[in-house]
Amino acid sequence: EAQVTQNPRYLITVTGKKLTVTCSQNMNHEYMSWYRQDPGLGLRQIYYSMNVEATDKGDVPEGYKVSRKEKRNFPLILESPSPNQTSLYFCASRDQPRDTQYFGPGTRLTVL
Amino acid sequence: AQSVTQLDSQVPVFEEAPVELRCNYSSSVSVYLFWYVQYPNQGLQLLLKYLSGSTLVKSINGFEAEFNKSQTSFHLRKPSVHISDTAEYFCAVSDPSSGYSTLTFGKGTMLLVSP
Repeated sequence: EAQVTQNPRYLITVTGKKLTVTCSQNMNHEYMSWYRQDPGLGLRQIYYSMNVEATDKGDVPEGYKVSRKEKRNFPLILESPSPNQTSLYFCASRDQPRDTQYFGPGTRLTVL
Repeated sequence: AQSVTQLDSQVPVFEEAPVELRCNYSSSVSVYLFWYVQYPNQGLQLLLKYLSGSTLVKSINGFEAEFNKSQTSFHLRKPSVHISDTAEYFCAVSDPSSGYSTLTFGKGTMLLVSP
């Protein structure tokens, strides 16, 4: 089954404790992205990747890092999480820009 | 930078009534336009998209959207809604300035269908 998976689905952590949210797709897609969703703000792109070792900043990259060492994986790293990073995070992938973007199920992160 | 405006944060409607969810974007260059739907506690799913060609695009579940270049709009319509259409709807745009790599979303419109 074609899918985008994210782990963990729920995470509660404390300020400053480094964490990684994993994202994996099994569709051999070129493009992958991370978004955060906040009430009243919609989805905002954090980072995106056009291919292996090719990443670029989205609209809200501050406080986040990403890497794309393999085509199927695109982890999101929070080196020192802060409470304003409490949000619902979505990973997504698509083969080309004109193609359908497939979203993962989301990761709900709470930073205390 | 591209921006997307969804004028209504919430649209309440009765079952079987028609509905229009409005979407305007900022740039008039050759854009790709999308509508995504998010059902409660789920991720987003593509509803329909406009890339080029016919300005009227349709989904399999009765929604349609019309690309209007002069008004930079991509409004979503359905002639008769069902309870199961209750969800949040997001308009999104991608433009050539980023090589169509980035996708900018609107803030979303919650469609509330009641019996």
